[in-house]
Amino acid sequence: QLQLQESGPGLVKPSETLSLTCTVSGGSISSSSYYWGWIRQPPGKGLEWIGSIYYSGSTYYNPSLKSRVTISVDTSKNQFSLKLSSVTAADTAVYYCASLQDGDGNWFDPWGQGTLVTVSS
Amino acid sequence: DIQMTQSPSSLSASVGDRVTITCRASQSISSYLNWYQQKPGKAPKLLIYAASSLQSGVPSRFSGSGSGTDFTLTISSLQPEDFATYYCQQSYSTIFTFGPGTKVDIK
Repeated sequence: QLQLQESGPGLVKPSETLSLTCTVSGGSISSSSYYWGWIRQPPGKGLEWIGSIYYSGSTYYNPSLKSRVTISVDTSKNQFSLKLSSVTAADTAVYYCASLQDGDGNWFDPWGQGTLVTVSS
Repeated sequence: DIQMTQSPSSLSASVGDRVTITCRASQSISSYLNWYQQKPGKAPKLLIYAASSLQSGVPSRFSGSGSGTDFTLTISSLQPEDFATYYCQQSYSTIFTFGPGTKVDIK
């Protein structure tokens, strides 16, 4: 059974780059059966899709974040990562990684437990 | 981008009640609509995918319906563990969007 776990700094300074890693277990990240995504949730607010990466290597990003986001895969470590540059306090959120399933559309399942990232000096 | 709205934003209900939550897309999304449940401090959990397909392990009291722009999540008989926030998400576009959520709490 696929399991995902986020890791990375819990505190990032304004203007710096937020970097998170999602470690996948129970399956190969390079399998054509899986795609991957990042979603975030500011404290007390709703879910915001950040971006997705597909087996082909294609990436899709939220237009509101596109200029600052990079999602990539490291097959040697069975991980995928998120980089968000030039962060501000508005980027403070719980960040989730998730497997993106493909069928009649796409859906996120399962999700990692989430990691809180606070942007503050 | 495709905008998603949900109604109501919150509701109060009692155990045993039938609960209906509506999700509307700003354009037709066929049946590319998913529903998630989120409890405080926890990651969202997939309930329904492709508008009406029940995810494995999810109780049958949850059901989804709709196509085009209007969708519904129904809980046939609300249980104590169902008090949570529910989100819809469209995947018609490769630019995914979530609805703002509907919080279901105890009356």
